[in-house]
Amino acid sequence: QTVVTQEPSLTVSPGGTVTLTCASGTGAVTDDYHPNWFQQKPGQSPRSLIYNARYKHSWTPARFSGSLLGGKAALTLSGVQSDDEADYYCLLFYDRGWVFGGGTRLTVL
Amino acid sequence: QVHLVESGGDLVKPGGSLRLSCAASGFTFSDFFMSWIRQAPGKGPEFVSYINGGTNDIYYADSVKGRFTISRDNAKNSLYLQMSSLRVDDTAIYYCARLGNGWSPGDYWGQGTLVTVSS
Repeated sequence: QTVVTQEPSLTVSPGGTVTLTCASGTGAVTDDYHPNWFQQKPGQSPRSLIYNARYKHSWTPARFSGSLLGGKAALTLSGVQSDDEADYYCLLFYDRGWVFGGGTRLTVL
Repeated sequence: QVHLVESGGDLVKPGGSLRLSCAASGFTFSDFFMSWIRQAPGKGPEFVSYINGGTNDIYYADSVKGRFTISRDNAKNSLYLQMSSLRVDDTAIYYCARLGNGWSPGDYWGQGTLVTVSS
């Protein structure tokens, strides 16, 4: 079973910047893994924020950005707002299947 | 706008069967891969299965292979998941999600339907 690892929890102050990362148990994450990032708030379905490592949807706030950083996929939030408090999941592509990470609970405090 | 509505979730005993449906609207259904993604209570999502528009490219996670069957009816804009030999650890909210263009799996999700497997 392929393991995708994220920080279990992070805390950031309002207006601050935070970077969430996503690591693969098979080695460095590259564009070939087509990283995706999702946000999920309590009682809601996950919502796609970033696809193919760095591309945003029309609904993705400008303060969210995706990249590859040090062998991992990364999601950076700049100018964090209280509304960004949520669980964040990355998703990587392996061979023919997709594997989610365990998620990062982001607290804005 | 894109709209996905799941149905069919229920309480079922271990070893039982269930069929989930997903009604799609707001886009050309046959042009897109579609998927089922599940989320157990308090856990992260798990990619279960996907199917392309021509129904000749199908994937299953190892955890459901041989027990679940994904299908679609493009004329009815509907996606299905036939689940059999259900186990307690299949308990989850099951989401229907569209695989968007440009390697964007899950660009749109439904609200989910709850499947509970318990004796």
